Amino acid sequence: EAGVVQSPRYKIIEKKQPVAFWCNPISGHNTLYWYLQNLGQGPELLIRYENEEAVDDSQLPKDRFSAERLKGVDSTLKIQPAELGDSAVYLCASSFRASGRRNEQFFGPGTRLTVL
Amino acid sequence: GEDVEQSLFLSVREGDSSVINCTYTDSSSTYLYWYKQEPGAGLQLLTYIFSNMDMKQDQRLTVLLNKKDKHLSLRIADTQTGDSAIYFCAEKGLLKTIFGAGTRLFVKA
Repeated sequence: EAGVVQSPRYKIIEKKQPVAFWCNPISGHNTLYWYLQNLGQGPELLIRYENEEAVDDSQLPKDRFSAERLKGVDSTLKIQPAELGDSAVYLCASSFRASGRRNEQFFGPGTRLTVL
Repeated sequence: GEDVEQSLFLSVREGDSSVINCTYTDSSSTYLYWYKQEPGAGLQLLTYIFSNMDMKQDQRLTVLLNKKDKHLSLRIADTQTGDSAIYFCAEKGLLKTIFGAGTRLFVKA
């Protein structure tokens, strides 16, 4: 079974440029998460989708960040414009359902963003 | 708000046991998890414990939960060099899963 797929793995851009990350979750997983992981820190939730609905986006900086999951499968996270402080690893995860008893989340390898 | 704290580093000799500790604040936590992250990879679930349990053993891994003190630990028996990684404690509250900052485990041969 394929795991969570993310692309690109690495991205280097100049500040004020736009950038987009893509995630394909495990087949059949209806819950998708985007996390931000700063160096030396644990993942912090940016947004959670149940199917195509964003059910928790309280930590997403909506002035510059946006996300979509149009068909309830793969998802895109966008930053426009990027700032120096956005340099981090962006992790995507999926689970069968967030309300499930165990809620095991499966993580992708992440996209490492460097903003110069 | 909810918080999960861990010590940042642990160094052990190969063959010794490793004990990684974690404290959390959310008393409504239902599940507590230990994830492992190797360089350049995402997090991988190692083990978990339901909040009404106080111990769970899975091969070389033993999880102890003290719900009264909100303290969770992960013991790795016979630690190997392949166990070198960052270990994240996480707790599943009512609204979301909160991760600690991770404990970097160094295993000396």
